[in-house]
Amino acid sequence: TQLLEQSPQFLSIQEGENLTVYCNSSSVFSSLQWYRQEPGEGPVLLVTVVTGGEVKKLKRLTFQFGDARKDSSLHITAAQPGDTGLYLCAGTGAGSYQLTFGKGTKLSVIP
Amino acid sequence: DAGVTQSPTHLIKTRGQQVTLRCSPKSGHDTVSWYQQALGQGPQFIFQYYEEEERQRGNFPDRFSGHQFPNYSSELNVNALLLGDSALYLCASSFGPIRSGNTIYFGEGSWLTVV
Repeated sequence: TQLLEQSPQFLSIQEGENLTVYCNSSSVFSSLQWYRQEPGEGPVLLVTVVTGGEVKKLKRLTFQFGDARKDSSLHITAAQPGDTGLYLCAGTGAGSYQLTFGKGTKLSVIP
Repeated sequence: DAGVTQSPTHLIKTRGQQVTLRCSPKSGHDTVSWYQQALGQGPQFIFQYYEEEERQRGNFPDRFSGHQFPNYSSELNVNALLLGDSALYLCASSFGPIRSGNTIYFGEGSWLTVV
């Protein structure tokens, strides 16, 4: 069974600060995705990374896939209150059709 | 272009009852997956349907069953409801199976409360 561990579970920071969220596993994933979920809504895809060592940027968000494709990180620069939400990482294993999700990181950005 | 639509949005059931949740995939999508998200947890994979067949199943009991129709819409049925089945049930659609680089769209979910 593939598992994804996310840390930290909760994060409360001031507007303008930087933060990093981690997603780790002992298993190799074919691809890894990051989602953001607002209360009462479904997850919304932010990015997909597929190549070990890959780095993708989405405005103030930087995503990295580990060289061994077992871990990933999400870095947010100069966080804003609009970044508040639940951030989920999810991976797909080779030959699998399912997404395995981490438990999520609940981010609160205080104005 | 409508995204993934789910119904009902909220419902309350009694232990032992049965429930049916419905999902219409995003236009052009042929694959539907169902996930259960308990409070404070990440979504857990229930199963995926493609070409009206269950392609893969997660670690859920047989009380959870599903169906996909020729128009690609899908239903999730849960029998003999338990209090622990209370959760947000999410439907996700994609074109083809979930693989590297494939974009998956989630609906807003159906909140099920079992009392």
